[in-house]
Amino acid sequence: AQSVTQLGSHVSVSEGALVLLRCNYSSSVPPYLFWYVQYPNQGLQLLLKYTTGATLVKGINGFEAEFKKSETSFHLTKPSAHMSDAAEYFCAVGGPNSGYALNFGKGTSLLVTP
Amino acid sequence: EAGVVQSPRYKIIEKKQPVAFWCNPISGHNTLYWYLQNLGQGPELLIRYENEEAVDDSQLPKDRFSAERLKGVDSTLKIQPAELGDSAVYLCASSLAGQGAYNEQFFGPGTRLTVL
Repeated sequence: AQSVTQLGSHVSVSEGALVLLRCNYSSSVPPYLFWYVQYPNQGLQLLLKYTTGATLVKGINGFEAEFKKSETSFHLTKPSAHMSDAAEYFCAVGGPNSGYALNFGKGTSLLVTP
Repeated sequence: EAGVVQSPRYKIIEKKQPVAFWCNPISGHNTLYWYLQNLGQGPELLIRYENEEAVDDSQLPKDRFSAERLKGVDSTLKIQPAELGDSAVYLCASSLAGQGAYNEQFFGPGTRLTVL
């Protein structure tokens, strides 16, 4: 079975500050890992994904994440927060064993303050 | 290119009533997923289709939920009868899945169901 745990249901940062959203995974097979963003009343949008290869992956809107097998982590970062980054962020795990169906974490709500 | 289309966007019904949600995936996408998202939670898979075949419905509560994907394109998810605890957002996603290859899932905006 594959699962993810997101640490912190709410994170607040100042505009211009570093964004760090934490995600740890559990998987008995090499995981495919994802970060999605969800704005109010909208569907999920893929920010970035790790499947194989380079462990530092870059996504849209300046976000990046690093796959660390030794720490079973896939934390999401952005050097400088923007007001428009305020949203719900979901970490997810999936892979070919599940037909790429995704197991999501509970989400982290990011608040950006002026 | 149009994204995943879902309708209705919002639905309010009384408990014990039936309800149906419709999803039109991105053209050409052979794999379709229905997810349930409770308030404050991440989405959870209900059912996965490859073409017209339901290949994973292990999480679908079959006593009251049913789904179909006729002709391997559009899909309908039905609840009969609805219960208070079914109030949630129902998300549809699609992808062009290939052998051994990952392809991105694209999500629709969801249908927000409120059961009174």
